Amino acid sequence: EAGVAQSPRYKIIEKRQSVAFWCNPISGHATLYWYQQILGQGPKLLIQFQNNGVVDDSQLPKDRFSAERLKGVDSTLKIQPAKLEDSAVYLCASSLSWADQETQYFGPGTRLLVL
Amino acid sequence: TQLLEQSPQFLSIQEGENLTVYCNSSSVFSSLQWYRQEPGEGPVLLVTVVTGGEVKKLKRLTFQFGDARKDSSLHITAAQPGDTGLYLCAVSIKAAGNKLTFGGGTRVLVKP
Repeated sequence: EAGVAQSPRYKIIEKRQSVAFWCNPISGHATLYWYQQILGQGPKLLIQFQNNGVVDDSQLPKDRFSAERLKGVDSTLKIQPAKLEDSAVYLCASSLSWADQETQYFGPGTRLLVL
Repeated sequence: TQLLEQSPQFLSIQEGENLTVYCNSSSVFSSLQWYRQEPGEGPVLLVTVVTGGEVKKLKRLTFQFGDARKDSSLHITAAQPGDTGLYLCAVSIKAAGNKLTFGGGTRVLVKP
């Protein structure tokens, strides 16, 4: 079974530029998550989708971050404009459902460096 | 203050030694998960502990959930270089849609 796919794996941009990340979850997984992992810290949830609807985006900086999952499968996360403090690994995860303790499967992440 | 405090932050040991990492909180949880994250990869679930006082073993890894369900530990016996990675504990808050909250992690380096 294919895992969660993410692209690109690495991205370097200058501050105030825009960037987009793509995630393809495991087939059949209804729930998709985007996490931000700053160096030396654990992942922090940015947004959670159930199919194509947003379940939780309370920690998403909405002035600069946006995410969508239009057809309930792939998802994109965008940052516009980027700031230095956005340098982090952006992890996508998926699970069969959003039931408590449902296993989340993580992709390899996109490493973003903002100069 | 983080919901989950992990200690130590970094641990460097020689191959064959034992190590223990801790995950502590002042809150009570219905369950707690441990993940390992290798360099350049996403976290991978190792175990979920559910019952207070529960002990689970996964080969050379032993996981324990505190009696009061506020803390947990991970013990590795005879560590190998393949155990190198970032060990993360996490909790899923009921009624929060399986949203995971992670601790800051313990970075383990096992030298050959």
